[in-house]
Amino acid sequence: DTAVSQTPKYLVTQMGNDKSIKCEQNLGHDTMYWYKQDSKKFLKIMFSYNNKELIINETVPNRFSPKSPDKAHLNLHINSLELGDSAVYFCASARTSYEQYFGPGTRLTVT
Amino acid sequence: QQQVKQSPQSLIVQKGGISIINCAYENTAFDYFPWYQQFPGKGPALLIAIRPDVSEKKEGRFTISFNKSAKQFSLHIMDSQPGDSATYFCAASTPSTSGTYKYIFGTGTRLKVLA
Repeated sequence: DTAVSQTPKYLVTQMGNDKSIKCEQNLGHDTMYWYKQDSKKFLKIMFSYNNKELIINETVPNRFSPKSPDKAHLNLHINSLELGDSAVYFCASARTSYEQYFGPGTRLTVT
Repeated sequence: QQQVKQSPQSLIVQKGGISIINCAYENTAFDYFPWYQQFPGKGPALLIAIRPDVSEKKEGRFTISFNKSAKQFSLHIMDSQPGDSATYFCAASTPSTSGTYKYIFGTGTRLKVLA
């Protein structure tokens, strides 16, 4: 069973479109995260939710909006996509502890 | 002060050799230091982690050495194998509000182990 899953794995879209990425974890963890990995492989945290409550909100454009319908799910909606949004987006989860477990990633390409 | 500096950017090691990757930090509030391994097209996977109250932690062929006074830590991969070829990330974490932990990642080291 996949612990942290993301859909879709690949997403190709045009500038100006709106898209969503979904994440689900079956580990029973309380905390979920979104990370962005750019073309140079740099990993940076975007958001963190704990028990459906937004805890960490880094300097991310307002076009990015996370939503957590329940503890096991954290989705990322992106409005008005720009070329610079092209990256791999990773979801991660953690029990209220240090160890974070990452999903397989969603490669977003904006043309 | 929130940065974690990682070196080298890339590393080539012969099979059976020792791979060493170094990281340095400034923020003394960091209290958890994990290493992640990432294969192409996959998500980062937790490899090994250490708290600052110990100077070394070993798990199989992987060892973290931690120098609190120098604010440095390193990953040693003994008897490196071609299957270890991947990108390695160090990270440092500090508690955020409500019990969540914010990772600051290093810039990554691309390791290639030659057969």
